[in-house]
Amino acid sequence: DVKVTQSSRYLVKRTGEKVFLECVQDMDHENMFWYRQDPGLGLRLIYFSYDVKMKEKGDIPEGYSVSREKKERFSLILESASTNQTSMYLCASSISGTYDAVKFGAGTRLSVL
Amino acid sequence: ELKVEQNPLFLSMQEGKNYTIYCNYSTTSDRLYWYRQDPGKSLESLFVLLSNGAVKQEGRLMASLDTKARLSTLHITAAVHDLSATYFCAVDGDYKLSFGAGTTVTVRA
Repeated sequence: DVKVTQSSRYLVKRTGEKVFLECVQDMDHENMFWYRQDPGLGLRLIYFSYDVKMKEKGDIPEGYSVSREKKERFSLILESASTNQTSMYLCASSISGTYDAVKFGAGTRLSVL
Repeated sequence: ELKVEQNPLFLSMQEGKNYTIYCNYSTTSDRLYWYRQDPGKSLESLFVLLSNGAVKQEGRLMASLDTKARLSTLHITAAVHDLSATYFCAVDGDYKLSFGAGTTVTVRA
């Protein structure tokens, strides 16, 4: 069964810090996604990637960047963390060419103080 | 931009009764997904609906898709406590998912 592993379950950072959220999947999926989840808003797509070194903006990319240097790893970067980026961040992956359900990691709850 | 609306956002169910969650979306799509999330946990896939008229059932849950009406329903039969969770629908547009706000379900005795 595919596993999507996020490096931290909880993170506390200070305003202005650069923050890295790491995600690794172990099933050779081409597609990887970063979502943030906020109460009443559901999940909103930040960035996604269909291949190594490839990235596309989602619906709310402002204040974020991503890196995909290897197929299995997709990193989300908060260049200068702000309090409005306090949220739950979910990484996901899926296989290309099928309509199989996207698989999610356990999530990282980030608090920016 | 693809918009996905779920209702209700909160649903208090009585054990043994039947309920329905609705998911409307704004643009043409033939692919819709239902997920479940337990508190503090990640999202677990429940159903994948890939064509108009598709119906999937698992235990007390049944999902259907009407692409012409841009509507999916998640029907819960004879609710039990184990079904307490938040349910999300997600619509595939250009191979990325847009999610509804979620329906938080609480089942009471």
